[in-house]
Amino acid sequence: ETGVTQTPRHLVMGMTNKKSLKCEQHLGHNAMYWYKQSAKKPLELMFVYNFKEQTENNSVPSRFSPECPNSSHLFLHLHTLQPEDSALYLCASSQEQASSYNSPLHFGNGTRLTVT
Amino acid sequence: QKEVEQDPGPLSVPEGAIVSLNCTYSNSAFQYFMWYRQYSRKGPELLMYTYSSGNKEDGRFTAQVDKSSKYISLFIRDSQPSDSATYLCAIPNQAGTALIFGKGTTLSVSS
Repeated sequence: ETGVTQTPRHLVMGMTNKKSLKCEQHLGHNAMYWYKQSAKKPLELMFVYNFKEQTENNSVPSRFSPECPNSSHLFLHLHTLQPEDSALYLCASSQEQASSYNSPLHFGNGTRLTVT
Repeated sequence: QKEVEQDPGPLSVPEGAIVSLNCTYSNSAFQYFMWYRQYSRKGPELLMYTYSSGNKEDGRFTAQVDKSSKYISLFIRDSQPSDSATYLCAIPNQAGTALIFGKGTTLSVSS
């Protein structure tokens, strides 16, 4: 399997649940990202990892907790979410943590999250 | 002012039309400008990039940057139904560590 794979594709959870989103990249990249995509809003950067180390947290609420056990895997742990957290969560990777034209982002197809 | 502004549309055109998609940006220090395309139920994929000013052409697609007016454009010639997608402009953040995206313009090309 190639590219960036995200599971599950769809997730419905209550506000008191705990769930996790998983991302795996098969591209040998060193940087991984979580973005949030909501209707009529720009893609919002959430977290950046470079060589397994978190390098950016874009003021994300603590109910979102990322984990990067190695350069190929990225998780987003969710707990006590709010309905406004319903969105498409996209994982991406790049060769280097430098968003230039020679290190473009490769995205997965996202997890569609609905919080009830 | 937001760093990248993009009209979300939607934009509907007939097959064969010339399409112009546009973004404005606020920070004159940006050097790289990218366009991503996102099909329904898929993640965005890099379509084109330009460095600094000028035009870049790739088949039916032309990316253009006007740094004096902080304006970037994507032109699609002879548009096809398969071009129906959301087009997102993107620029690197100040630290160059991630991309900042516009809202995306949803394009529909009818046959």
